[in-house]
Amino acid sequence: QQQVKQSPQSLIVQKGGISIINCAYENTAFDYFPWYQQFPGKGPALLIAIRPDVSEKKEGRFTISFNKSAKQFSLHIMDSQPGDSATYFCALQASFEGSARQLTFGSGTQLTVLP
Amino acid sequence: NAGVTQTPKFRVLKTGQSMTLLCAQDMNHEYMYWYRQDPGMGLRLIHYSVGEGTTAKGEVPDGYNVSRLKKQNFLLGLESAAPSQTSVYFCASSPLGNIQYFGAGTRLSVL
Repeated sequence: QQQVKQSPQSLIVQKGGISIINCAYENTAFDYFPWYQQFPGKGPALLIAIRPDVSEKKEGRFTISFNKSAKQFSLHIMDSQPGDSATYFCALQASFEGSARQLTFGSGTQLTVLP
Repeated sequence: NAGVTQTPKFRVLKTGQSMTLLCAQDMNHEYMYWYRQDPGMGLRLIHYSVGEGTTAKGEVPDGYNVSRLKKQNFLLGLESAAPSQTSVYFCASSPLGNIQYFGAGTRLSVL
């Protein structure tokens, strides 16, 4: 079963525009909601993350908005730059240490920022 | 400080052959993971380890085995490769916290 649904699958934005990627989840047994960024030929790297007791977190041009009641969270990239072109994954992190705090990933969004 | 190192970077196998992928981390992390990445499916957890000498199954463990004899190494084995195992494999490690650090991946093709 797909525990997290990510959309859109691909996104093309002009330089300076806003990129928005959405994720929806079902199970509530998670206590950390990270976004990972992956460039071609590289492994994913943590970009930004949020805990469910916070509705918004901002780091530079990147913002996570979290809606606990709707079980949705989204990534907003302000003033998008060509260097932001990458694949973005939302993830759910298990709260149980015995599970090594597993990540369940969304299917990914390929972002292209045009110059 | 190399972080997470995966070897090999590329490999082509014939159906039925076996191989071992090596993951090494130099950050003294407790947790280690193996994922596979397929187009349109994100990353899926194959196996994980919460410490030296321990391993557990993830979401898609069938056809794979793992071992963690040393804290810094996590090996992924394919005993009899199948075309369905054609994928990009990522190893990750994590301290007792939230962030996972990924290697650069191993691209495997099974013909």
